[in-house]
Amino acid sequence: DAGVTQSPTHLIKTRGQHVTLRCSPISGHKSVSWYQQVLGQGPQFIFQYYEKEERGRGNFPDRFSARQFPNYSSELNVNALLLGDSALYLCASSLEQGRVLRAFFGQGTRLTVV
Amino acid sequence: TQLLEQSPQFLSIQEGENLTVYCNSSSVFSSLQWYRQEPGEGPVLLVTVVTGGEVKKLKRLTFQFGDARKDSSLHITAAQPGDTGLYLCAALIQGAQKLVFGQGTRLTINP
Repeated sequence: DAGVTQSPTHLIKTRGQHVTLRCSPISGHKSVSWYQQVLGQGPQFIFQYYEKEERGRGNFPDRFSARQFPNYSSELNVNALLLGDSALYLCASSLEQGRVLRAFFGQGTRLTVV
Repeated sequence: TQLLEQSPQFLSIQEGENLTVYCNSSSVFSSLQWYRQEPGEGPVLLVTVVTGGEVKKLKRLTFQFGDARKDSSLHITAAQPGDTGLYLCAALIQGAQKLVFGQGTRLTINP
């Protein structure tokens, strides 16, 4: 069974550019979340989408946006890139089972802004 | 200020030793999770603890949820080089539908 897949795996961009990161969830999972993990830190929540609607947003500037498609895949867009946006961007698909969340993470996209 | 504080941040020990890492908060959670992350990979869920005082075992790993549901610990017995990695605790924030992670404990087991 395919897990969560993210593309690309690595990316180098210049300050001021924009970037689009892609995520395909596990088949049957309708919820996709995005996290940013800066080197040496734990992941920080950016967005959650469920059935194409935004259900949660973290403390990130408006330069960050996302969407979910009818097939439940998702894109994360970041505009006007800053050096500080360099990080591992993780996508997670999940099933909610009562009050317990079972999240499956992709391998991430390593974004370097120069 | 981190909602979840993990300690220690770094730990390097010899193969065969035992170790404990901690995840502490001043907040009460309905559940806490532990993940392990290897370089170049996403976090992988190890366990979810739900009930205060709960203890779960996964081979040589023992996870405990505090009685007050504010903290958790991970104990590894007879550590092996394959245990090397970043260990993350996380709490689900109900309503906000997000996981909040600690900063992680980077564990290195030396042969």
